[in-house]
Amino acid sequence: DQQVKQNSPSLSVQEGRISILNCDYTNSMFDYFLWYKKYPAEGPTFLISISSIKDKNEDGRFTVFLNKSAKHLSLHIVPSQPGDSAVYFCAASPDNAGNMLTFGGGTRLMVKP
Amino acid sequence: GAGVSQSPSNKVTEKGKDVELRCDPISGHTALYWYRQSLGQGLEFLIYFQGNSAPDKSGLPSDRFSAERTGGSVSTLTIQRTQQEDSAVYLCASSRQENTEAFFGQGTRLTVV
Repeated sequence: DQQVKQNSPSLSVQEGRISILNCDYTNSMFDYFLWYKKYPAEGPTFLISISSIKDKNEDGRFTVFLNKSAKHLSLHIVPSQPGDSAVYFCAASPDNAGNMLTFGGGTRLMVKP
Repeated sequence: GAGVSQSPSNKVTEKGKDVELRCDPISGHTALYWYRQSLGQGLEFLIYFQGNSAPDKSGLPSDRFSAERTGGSVSTLTIQRTQQEDSAVYLCASSRQENTEAFFGQGTRLTVV
């Protein structure tokens, strides 16, 4: 039973356009959500996070939106750059669970020049 | 080193053999986590250490898996009598404290033949 789901295994976007990566979760106890980026042969690197008290968090070209009622979050990258091509993992944890995260299956983003 | 270091980077072992995977966290990080990523799967939480103690072992998939951490630093994940389904990338992460950003190592790719 996957508690965190990324239903799109891959996404292809033109350079300069917006990339939207989606994530759904089922556990209502999740209060903290993160996005990680992973290049081949490297460990995941933290990108951006959001807690359940907010519905939006922005950091440069990256914005995460949280819709608690729909149990849905999304990562927007704008403008997309070829260097953004990687696998993006959505992750979630209950409050005070630290980094014992439940990850989604990942979405492979390809940004074409 | 500056980041989380894992060794070996690749390990091929015969079914039934024991393997030991090592993680050197970032100096000063008290929290340490093990995850694994099986083929086509997302990241799966295995075990969490706070200092030398493991308050949460809930993710260990079977009693063939064990982990220890000595001196609040290096951790080893041991898999006894390996099976083919143990083939995966095993990732270690550390964080300064329980609820701060976690940094991942590059992982150990384990292949059981």
